[in-house]
Amino acid sequence: DAKTTQPTSMDCAEGRAANLPCNHSTISGNEYVYWYRQIHSQGPQYIIHGLKNNETNEMASLIITEDRKSSTLILPHATLRDTAVYYCIVRVGPPGNTPLVFGKGTRLSVIA
Amino acid sequence: NAGVTQTPKFRVLKTGQSMTLLCAQDMNHEYMYWYRQDPGMGLRLIHYSVGEGTTAKGEVPDGYNVSRLKKQNFLLGLESAAPSQTSVYFCASSYWEYEQYFGPGTRLTVT
Repeated sequence: DAKTTQPTSMDCAEGRAANLPCNHSTISGNEYVYWYRQIHSQGPQYIIHGLKNNETNEMASLIITEDRKSSTLILPHATLRDTAVYYCIVRVGPPGNTPLVFGKGTRLSVIA
Repeated sequence: NAGVTQTPKFRVLKTGQSMTLLCAQDMNHEYMYWYRQDPGMGLRLIHYSVGEGTTAKGEVPDGYNVSRLKKQNFLLGLESAAPSQTSVYFCASSYWEYEQYFGPGTRLTVT
């Protein structure tokens, strides 16, 4: 699976959009981009995933560049409860039998 | 619908003792996973299972054994605990290879 690069930490003001970048320049055509987050001391939580097109769900939006070498997770109106470590993961989609590989992620702090 | 549950939540072991961590899911998921997370680190995969009766090694399998005798349960065993196995252990399950659902974690300290 391709490697990902994320900033170590970011701050965001409450109520503003949080934009979390991820570089995955070696991504191949059958690899998806997944985002998970981990709120302090809890198990990780799935947020969203995508292949080529931009995706949106009730939690977030995922913007993938046309060359697929980078992506951005957008939390449209960040709240204090969104403070967490956010993991960008690239992996082969099903049926690929490749487990998730978590890096160190980005620590997002939402500030009142 | 409880999702993924883990037993116990906390445990302290002495070096050389053995124990089993239990993970249970009620979502009828085929895939189940065990991860460990050390302070300041991301999760690392220990073992996983793609169905009842199957297991496979992950990134850091040494010192652990697993069993998946029933679809809803995935057991992680430590035969002879070592201080290096002090960690937080997370179990997860998924329907095939789609999004994983994680349990609340088990905090294990080996003294």
